[in-house]
Amino acid sequence: AQSVSQHNHHVILSEAASLELGCNYSYGGTVNLFWYVQYPGQHLQLLLKYFSGDPLVKGIKGFEAEFIKSKFSFNLRKPSVQWSDTAEYFCAVALSGAGSYQLTFGKGTKLSVIP
Amino acid sequence: DAGITQSPRHKVTETGTPVTLRCHQTENHRYMYWYRQDPGHGLRLIHYSYGVKDTDKGEVSDGYSVSRSKTEDFLLTLESATSSQTSVYFCAISETLDRASIYEQYFGPGTRLTVT
Repeated sequence: AQSVSQHNHHVILSEAASLELGCNYSYGGTVNLFWYVQYPGQHLQLLLKYFSGDPLVKGIKGFEAEFIKSKFSFNLRKPSVQWSDTAEYFCAVALSGAGSYQLTFGKGTKLSVIP
Repeated sequence: DAGITQSPRHKVTETGTPVTLRCHQTENHRYMYWYRQDPGHGLRLIHYSYGVKDTDKGEVSDGYSVSRSKTEDFLLTLESATSSQTSVYFCAISETLDRASIYEQYFGPGTRLTVT
């Protein structure tokens, strides 16, 4: 079964600092990749997604992620974080063509941005 | 936001009692999912449905059952609640318009369940 690893459990940054959150997956086939964000007390929202094509994908609120197939990675980046980015971030993987449409989520990375 | 509601939003129950959580959608999406979210575990899939009366197990289905008698409703039942089922439960939906959309899941607000 596929698995998703998010290496950072809690990241603390000052406003305007650059962000990179790591995500690695364990499946060698064709994958669809996602980042979701969960603001405090809220439900998960889709931040960005990758299905095919340009490996650099841009999402909402200035976030982007790069799919590096050779490294099985899909890291999330933002050049300058804001206090409002304080949230928990989840990477998720779906296997393409597997016959089921389940997402496998990482354990999440909590981001705290200090004003 | 997608039209997904969950009820109740909070519930405290005793060990051994049955509990049913409801997910209701107004989007007419075909796929519905139940997840539980626990600190340090992220989200784990309990059960999912790919149509009325069509359901399948997820990663952590033991102790849970589901039913879907209408497109808009997906029920999660804990037949005999245990303390290990204390968690936040999220419902999600997705559609099958094309290959891309089926993988995009939209989440409800969650139900916080405490089993004492």
